[in-house]
Amino acid sequence: ILNVEQSPQSLHVQEGDSTNFTCSFPSSNFYALHWYRWETAKSPEALFVMTLNGDEKKKGRISATLNTKEGYSYLYIKGSQPEDSATYLCAFNSNTGNQFYFGTGTSLTVIP
Amino acid sequence: ETGVTQSPTHLIKTRGQQVTLRCSSQSGHNTVSWYQQALGQGPQFIFQYYREEENGRGNFPPRFSGLQFPNYSSELNVNALELDDSALYLCASSPTGTRYLGTQYFGPGTRLTVL
Repeated sequence: ILNVEQSPQSLHVQEGDSTNFTCSFPSSNFYALHWYRWETAKSPEALFVMTLNGDEKKKGRISATLNTKEGYSYLYIKGSQPEDSATYLCAFNSNTGNQFYFGTGTSLTVIP
Repeated sequence: ETGVTQSPTHLIKTRGQQVTLRCSSQSGHNTVSWYQQALGQGPQFIFQYYREEENGRGNFPPRFSGLQFPNYSSELNVNALELDDSALYLCASSPTGTRYLGTQYFGPGTRLTVL
C-alpha cells in the first residue's frame, strides 16, 4: 500500500498570518503530485498539478513547491484570510497506474 | 460548462442491501474515477472507467462494481452492504484516462450511511 502523509492534521491561524503544510509521498515511481482545496459541503477544487522536481507553482496568495527526490511538497498560504478555511488535500500519482493516492488532508481554520 | 454532479446527496441503507450511486461527468470528459472517503481518511481509489471500460481498480472487493454509459455518465454499485461501507463517495472526471497530467474534477459526493 502506497503511503501519502500530510501534516499537520489541523491548523488554526489568525487572519493575516502566513502558514504552510507538508505532503510526503514515495520518492520512487513519481509521476505527478496534485493539491486540492476542499471547502465543507462543496466539491474538492484543484489548485496545482506538479510534475518536475523543483517545480514551484503560484495562484494568488497560495504557492507550492515540489521535491521528488526526497518525496515532499509544501503548500504555502501568505496572509491567510477567513475564506482560505478549508481542508487541503494532496494526491500522488505514480507512474505504475492511473489512480491518485490521497493524503488525509490538513484542515485549516483562519480566525478573523 | 456543466460541472460534475452526483446523486443522490444522501442515502441510508441497511446491511445486506444493494445501492447505486450516479455521476454525470463534466462536459467533454470521457473518464470517470470513483473514490471512497471514510471518516478521518483521505479519499481511496475504487476504480476508473475510460470510454465505458474499467481502466484501473483499487483494493476493493468485487461487490463494488461500476458502469460507464455512452454519454460518459457513470454508476457505482455496491452489493451486500456492510457497516464499513458507510462513507462519502466521490466521483471525478477528466478528459482522458491514460497518463493524463492534468487534474480530475470532483463532484460534491454522495453520503452513504449503512445501518
